[in-house]
Amino acid sequence: ELKVEQNPLFLSMQEGKNYTIYCDYSTTSDRLYWYRQDPGKSLESLFVLLSNGAVKQEGRLMASLDTKARLSTLHITAAVHDLSATYFCAVDGTNAGKSTFGDGTTLTVKP
Amino acid sequence: DAGVIQSPRHEVTEMGQEVTLRCKPISGHDYLFWYRQTMMRGLELLIYFNNNVPIDDSGMPEDRFSAKMPNASFSTLKIQPSEPRDSAVYFCASSLLPYGYTFGSGTRLTVV
Repeated sequence: ELKVEQNPLFLSMQEGKNYTIYCDYSTTSDRLYWYRQDPGKSLESLFVLLSNGAVKQEGRLMASLDTKARLSTLHITAAVHDLSATYFCAVDGTNAGKSTFGDGTTLTVKP
Repeated sequence: DAGVIQSPRHEVTEMGQEVTLRCKPISGHDYLFWYRQTMMRGLELLIYFNNNVPIDDSGMPEDRFSAKMPNASFSTLKIQPSEPRDSAVYFCASSLLPYGYTFGSGTRLTVV
């Protein structure tokens, strides 16, 4: 059974600082996704990573995938308050089409 | 495309009543998922369909829950009878491999 672990689960950081959220998973996969959920809202897709070494960037967020290490990172550069949200990673396993989600990392950016 | 459309956005019902949640997936997407989200249990997969066929319903909590997908553009999740512990946000999502999910806005269900 595919297991997806995110850490940390809760992250409080100051504006302007850098930090990394980690997502590791238990079985071979080369499809990983990051989603963002604002409080009281739905989940929206942030990044789609489809191969080893894939790197995607949007604004202050950068995601990467290392399929050999079974690890993805979501790096936050110079955090701003607007980045406060819960971030989920999800991994496609052997069941085609079905992603297994991590528990989410709740990020709070303080002034 | 208008995205994944869920209705209603909010539902308040009394214990014992039947509740039906509706979902219209994105045209062309061949997977449809129903999730439930609560503070206590997080995001839970209830059931998913591929080309309108249920693939895995092992996440459906009990027989009170049922889901159908009569065609490619419509799905329902029914709870009968509803109980207070069913109170949650229910999300529908659709996808086309390998591009990940598109989630609907969710239905906030309160059973009193």
